[in-house]
Amino acid sequence: KNQVEQSPQSLIILEGKNCTLQCNYTVSPFSNLRWYKQDTGRGPVSLTIMTFSENTKSNGRYTATLDADTKQSSLHITASQLSDSASYICVVNDGGATNKLIFGTGTLLAVQP
Amino acid sequence: SQTIHQWPATLVQPVGSPLSLECTVEGTSNPNLYWYRQAAGRGLQLLFYSVGIGQISSEVPQNLSASRPQDRQFILSSKKLLLSDSGFYLCAWSVTVYGYTFGSGTRLTVV
Repeated sequence: KNQVEQSPQSLIILEGKNCTLQCNYTVSPFSNLRWYKQDTGRGPVSLTIMTFSENTKSNGRYTATLDADTKQSSLHITASQLSDSASYICVVNDGGATNKLIFGTGTLLAVQP
Repeated sequence: SQTIHQWPATLVQPVGSPLSLECTVEGTSNPNLYWYRQAAGRGLQLLFYSVGIGQISSEVPQNLSASRPQDRQFILSSKKLLLSDSGFYLCAWSVTVYGYTFGSGTRLTVV
């Protein structure tokens, strides 16, 4: 069964600190892996997209890694800001004709002053 | 530029009432269109997808239906809402395996 699991479920950090979110997947076939940021009551916004051959991708203070052999990914947030408080969702694209996404349940991050 | 419009932003409906949520896309042709639902504390779940006008595929059995009357219009409907239909509904479109854009979502509360 295609699944995407994330950990931790929730995380509280102090402003300025770094954190790392984890994602394990069992989706096959695999086309690409995405990390999205979703603010409460809003649609997800893409942070990074990585294909099978990419090991790391950065977007400002966000850095994603991918190990396609172990089917693991991580999202590292550097020097966190209050505005980073949101749900971070790991998503895998099976690359089929319908281009469907399989979503993790997300990690809820709270950045406190 | 390519944009996606989804409305309304919030909706409160009584049990048993009908539902119609609309999503339109601008700036692209023949996109794949999707309806997702996010129940409280759960991940996004794909409900329907469409690869062309009149072509609808359902991912999960449910009380909802979808239609695509025009190339860039996707409608989510129900004849009689259930309490379990409450949730956050997102429309999305894609034209390539890498491009994927979500609408702003509709918060539906069935009372």
